Amino acid sequence: AQKITQTQPGMFVQEKEAVTLDCTYDTSDPSYGLFWYKQPSSGEMIFLIYQGSYDQQNATEGRYSLNFQKARKSANLVISASQLGDSAMYFCAMTFKAAGNKLTFGGGTRVLVKP
Amino acid sequence: GAGVSQSPSNKVTEKGKDVELRCDPISGHTALYWYRQSLGQGLEFLIYFQGNSAPDKSGLPSDRFSAERTGGSVSTLTIQRTQQEDSAVYLCASSFRQGSYNSPLHFGNGTRLTVT
Repeated sequence: AQKITQTQPGMFVQEKEAVTLDCTYDTSDPSYGLFWYKQPSSGEMIFLIYQGSYDQQNATEGRYSLNFQKARKSANLVISASQLGDSAMYFCAMTFKAAGNKLTFGGGTRVLVKP
Repeated sequence: GAGVSQSPSNKVTEKGKDVELRCDPISGHTALYWYRQSLGQGLEFLIYFQGNSAPDKSGLPSDRFSAERTGGSVSTLTIQRTQQEDSAVYLCASSFRQGSYNSPLHFGNGTRLTVT
């Protein structure tokens, strides 16, 4: 069975510093996609970044980058130059070819950016 | 609007009553998903639709839960004889392509259901 693990329930980061959010996964399916979502206190789920299992390069989207280590089955999110508005819950999620694009989510990491 | 729309945004109901939650996906998105998020928890998959059919209902917690989709667009999630453990935020999402594992899901703002 597929499983997503986020080991950091919560963390503080100083404004303007970078923060890394950990995500590990377990699957036997060679074809999969990895996603990160942000959920502010307002409750909306905001898509941040995507990495495919066959992608050779790490994905980047503005201040977000994904440190994809396929052999270790990890897909850590790096947020550079943290801003107060980055305070939110962050969810790692993945889809598997065998399951179409039904997302399986990790438990989330709460990030609080300090001024 | 351009995004996924859910209504109502909040619903308070008495235990034992039936409720209907509505989702209007992004225009042109063929796949529609329902998730549930309990307080402080991650997202739990309930059901997804491709067009009007539901190939995967594996996440529905009990037979009190049902969902339908009509015209390949709007979906309703119905909970019969609500229980207090049904209290949660129900999130709907849509995506452009089902069966393509690199198509991100776009979520609505959810319906917060409280069963008293």
